[in-house]
Amino acid sequence: QKEVEQNSGPLSVPEGAIASLNCTYSDRVSQSFFWYRQYSGKSPELIMSIYSNGDKEDGRFTAQLNKASQYVSLLIRDSQPSDSATYLCAVERYSGNTGKLIFGQGTTLQVKP
Amino acid sequence: DADVTQTPRNRITKTGKRIMLECSQTKGHDRMYWYRQDPGLGLRLIYYSFDVKDINKGEISDGYSVSRQAQAKFSLSLESAIPNQTALYFCATSDPGDGGTGELFFGEGSRLTVL
Repeated sequence: QKEVEQNSGPLSVPEGAIASLNCTYSDRVSQSFFWYRQYSGKSPELIMSIYSNGDKEDGRFTAQLNKASQYVSLLIRDSQPSDSATYLCAVERYSGNTGKLIFGQGTTLQVKP
Repeated sequence: DADVTQTPRNRITKTGKRIMLECSQTKGHDRMYWYRQDPGLGLRLIYYSFDVKDINKGEISDGYSVSRQAQAKFSLSLESAIPNQTALYFCATSDPGDGGTGELFFGEGSRLTVL
């Protein structure tokens, strides 16, 4: 089992729909979770971080965390063609006092006009 | 200019050659990282450095070495390149203020092809 797992997709949604991206992780003690967006041929950029169970909203983006189920998701409301990208889930794994990010393989999202 | 600059952006080399990828940053961050990205495998950590005197192996350090020449410069070397090191390499920086990673700021990537 991979430490951080995502469905590689592609996930295709029509413009204006809600896109739901999912991520599961194996380390029960993980406390910090991140979503990065990567456009084709570009570098990743952080769009959301979440540390507590529940929802965190930022504009059209909502991150959801359920530590009991070891599950983190990203919802994109009113999806736009400009949201078409690969979304990388990252989970912080600690060794002693030092954290390192472990990335999933990414989910490719296609938003069709 | 980009805050995190990688050179070269593209490189084609042959098996057995020594290759150096360079990274420089103007963000003033102490922490620097080298990741590699392969299709279907996401980003994997090769090495990371918390300051000039603190360098640590990541998940996949075999076949790689690094040098932190200054706070702003972190180089990745492949002493004897092999084809399965063909990948997209990213340098990143962060300044979390605690033991965690914080937000990573990535360079534009260096695409390496080993023939």
